Amino acid sequence: DAGVTQSPTHLIKTRGQQVTLRCSPKSGHDTVSWYQQALGQGPQFIFQYYEEEERQRGNFPDRFSGHQFPNYSSELNVNALLLGDSALYLCASSLGFTGSNEKLFFGSGTQLSVL
Amino acid sequence: QKEVEQDPGPLSVPEGAIVSLNCTYSNSAFQYFMWYRQYSRKGPELLMYTYSSGNKEDGRFTAQVDKSSKYISLFIRDSQPSDSATYLCAMSAGGTSYGKLTFGQGTILTVHP
Repeated sequence: DAGVTQSPTHLIKTRGQQVTLRCSPKSGHDTVSWYQQALGQGPQFIFQYYEEEERQRGNFPDRFSGHQFPNYSSELNVNALLLGDSALYLCASSLGFTGSNEKLFFGSGTQLSVL
Repeated sequence: QKEVEQDPGPLSVPEGAIVSLNCTYSNSAFQYFMWYRQYSRKGPELLMYTYSSGNKEDGRFTAQVDKSSKYISLFIRDSQPSDSATYLCAMSAGGTSYGKLTFGQGTILTVHP
């Protein structure tokens, strides 16, 4: 049973560029959430996708956008990259809006470095 | 003040010790409480999941939630070197916030042989 897979594992960009990160949820899961984890900090919620719509959003600017596809996979896009966007970006999957939804399963993340 | 506070440590213990990890929180709407383990350069792995107050045990791990004090704990018995990792507490209000977890900073634990 495949878990949550993310690509790429590492990425180096320069300020002002745009980046797209990809995520495939765990088999059977239909909800994808994205988190940003700065070095030495806990993950911070960016947004959540369910039924191809953004359902919830954390305190992140509009430079952060996303998409969910019919096969439940998801993309995270970040425009006009800043140095402060350097972090580990984590994708988490879960099943629907039920009580078990809080059981999030995380991928290994994409380490983004902005120079 | 952060919604969830967690002592970042680091915490260093000998093999076989009992480890106690703690978090406090300020949002009384939190109903779901989780502990995740994160190894270096990996994503968080769900260890324990608790709804509302009470205790939950799974092998060497015990999670406790005291909503009246807004305090949660994770106990690790007979700690092993393989338990060395960062431990993250996480919480959610559920309802319309399903899937939106608020994490603590993480506690770095080292268990030495």
